[in-house]
Amino acid sequence: GQSLEQPSEVTAVEGAIVQINCTYQTSGFYGLSWYQQHDGGAPTFLSYNALDGLEETGRFSSFLSRSDSYGYLLLQELQMKDSASYFCAVRDNYGQNFVFGPGTRLSVLP
Amino acid sequence: GAGVSQSPSNKVTEKGKDVELRCDPISGHTALYWYRQSLGQGLEFLIYFQGNSAPDKSGLPSDRFSAERTGGSVSTLTIQRTQQEDSAVYLCASSPGLAGPNTGELFFGEGSRLTVL
Repeated sequence: GQSLEQPSEVTAVEGAIVQINCTYQTSGFYGLSWYQQHDGGAPTFLSYNALDGLEETGRFSSFLSRSDSYGYLLLQELQMKDSASYFCAVRDNYGQNFVFGPGTRLSVLP
Repeated sequence: GAGVSQSPSNKVTEKGKDVELRCDPISGHTALYWYRQSLGQGLEFLIYFQGNSAPDKSGLPSDRFSAERTGGSVSTLTIQRTQQEDSAVYLCASSPGLAGPNTGELFFGEGSRLTVL
């Protein structure tokens, strides 16, 4: 079977740092992606980790540990516009399919 | 077009009617995916295409759901005899496929919001 777990909600204040965790169990593993989705909008790609370690893209960083089946998204210098849902997604089945987690709703407070 | 295009953006139908949802992927993208998202929920995988073939149909909820892709481009998701539980946003995404450096990225359309009365 395939399952991904994320916290359902996270709240933080502007300027803070927040970490959103993702654990997964899948039949195969190619890499871990992160997506952002604002209410009423389409998911947009943030980052992808195929190898262990940290990937940094501006204020956002993503980490992967394949041995622990675990990853996280780190958001720094939070802004109000970062309030959105964040989804992790595993590329599995020999890299041909993407299975999404349930999503984490981030609320950034002033 | 520059992005993934989906139509209609909104569809209201009566229970028992058939609906067709269309997805026009980014030109040159060989992989195409359909997901369903209910309000406040995650993305539920339905089906994906590599070219015109669908190696994985495991996510289709029932035999009322079907999808096809022609010419390696446009895809249509058909729901027959719609039920109220089919109400959701249907999202289409495409990707360049296995080749290329950005193998973790899907490009999503804005979705088709289906409401079954």
